[in-house]
Amino acid sequence: DIQLTQSPSFLSASVGDRVTITCRASQGISSYLAWYQQKPGKAPKLLIYAASTLQSGVPSRFSGSGSGTEFTLTISSLQPEDFATYYCQQLNSYLFGQGTKLEIK
Amino acid sequence: EVQLVQSGAEVKKPGESLKISCKGSGYSFTSYWIGWVRQMPGKGLEWMGIIYPGDSDTRYSPSFQGQVTISADKSISTAYLQWSSLKASDTAMYYCARTDYCSGGSCYRGAFDYWGQGTLVTVSS
Repeated sequence: DIQLTQSPSFLSASVGDRVTITCRASQGISSYLAWYQQKPGKAPKLLIYAASTLQSGVPSRFSGSGSGTEFTLTISSLQPEDFATYYCQQLNSYLFGQGTKLEIK
Repeated sequence: EVQLVQSGAEVKKPGESLKISCKGSGYSFTSYWIGWVRQMPGKGLEWMGIIYPGDSDTRYSPSFQGQVTISADKSISTAYLQWSSLKASDTAMYYCARTDYCSGGSCYRGAFDYWGQGTLVTVSS
């Protein structure tokens, strides 16, 4: 089975910072990767699919890159509403990464 | 507007059965697979399984195979997740979400683009 390793598990940053979250697959998965944002008490929200395609309505400060085994989600300039937990998901097996909790420094 | 509306919170005792629902609207219900996701208290997302309402083809995560049953009734655009005998460890929030698109006999892998609001299941004696 393909495993996903997301890092870091916790990230502390300030408004305006540029942050990057990484997701590594144990085998190549082409571009079959998505990123989600989840705020407390809410359902996850799709941000990025096919590794780098921004979902409609998602701010352009979010971007995704990578293919094969290494993928990144970048937030170019953190806004207060971006503090949340982020998950990657491999779309061949639907497996989710462990999550990255992004907290205010 | 695409919407997935889930049934309300449930409180059950160990050993009881339960069926929760997810009703789709605003799109062709039989053109997309529906997935179910578990989130235990304070934990991450776990994919449970998916179903294609068009023909009820169902796939399960190995972790959930035999533990739950996923079904759908396309006549009322509703997918279901059910347990025959609940355990305390089934206490969690359960989400449904729309995923892969199918047309003309082919399906195209997609992300979980629309989500239900979640159904909280509490199992306690």
